[in-house]
Amino acid sequence: SQTIHQWPATLVQPVGSPLSLECTVEGTSNPNLYWYRQAAGRGLQLLFYSVGIGQISSEVPQNLSASRPQDRQFILSSKKLLLSDSGFYLCAWSEVGMWTNEKLFFGSGTQLSVL
Amino acid sequence: GESVGLHLPTLSVQEGDNSIINCAYSNSASDYFIWYKQESGKGPQFIIDIRSNMDKRQGQRVTVLLNKTVKHLSLQIAATQPGDSAVYFCAENEITGNQFYFGTGTSLTVIP
Repeated sequence: SQTIHQWPATLVQPVGSPLSLECTVEGTSNPNLYWYRQAAGRGLQLLFYSVGIGQISSEVPQNLSASRPQDRQFILSSKKLLLSDSGFYLCAWSEVGMWTNEKLFFGSGTQLSVL
Repeated sequence: GESVGLHLPTLSVQEGDNSIINCAYSNSASDYFIWYKQESGKGPQFIIDIRSNMDKRQGQRVTVLLNKTVKHLSLQIAATQPGDSAVYFCAENEITGNQFYFGTGTSLTVIP
């Protein structure tokens, strides 16, 4: 069965420090991968998605970047965190089937607090 | 992204009653929809999905209805239980796109 791992679960970082969140998927090949951010009590905002190794699409211009060095690995980064980067970050994957996308499964999330 | 919104931000129901959570979408090209349940501090949990070639799909205690004419989606939960208390989101996806867009969510509270 497929599983998605996301770490760390919580992170407290000072303003101006770098960030690296990692996500890996097991049990599937060539998935679409996604990074979402969720503000407290709000919906999910799509940040980045990737349809293959090295292929990154950005939805919102911001202080963050994403990379996909391996088929089942997705990394969210920042060189210098801002206070506004605080939030709940979620990694997700979807299968690519006959109908373009089939299902979307989420990791357990990372609660990032920038102080 | 496209607008995917919910009619009501909060919903309270008595334990054992049925719950109906609604969702409106504006993108007529959306052809795939998913309902999620999210408990506090956790990632969204997949509940049920439906494609635009269907009007209704049933799962265990849940039913999703899709009305493409008015661009409306609903999630029905039968015999609501305290464990159903959570925030529920709908998400939509276009057949030609890889993005999934979410609404702001409805908070469901089950009263024992």
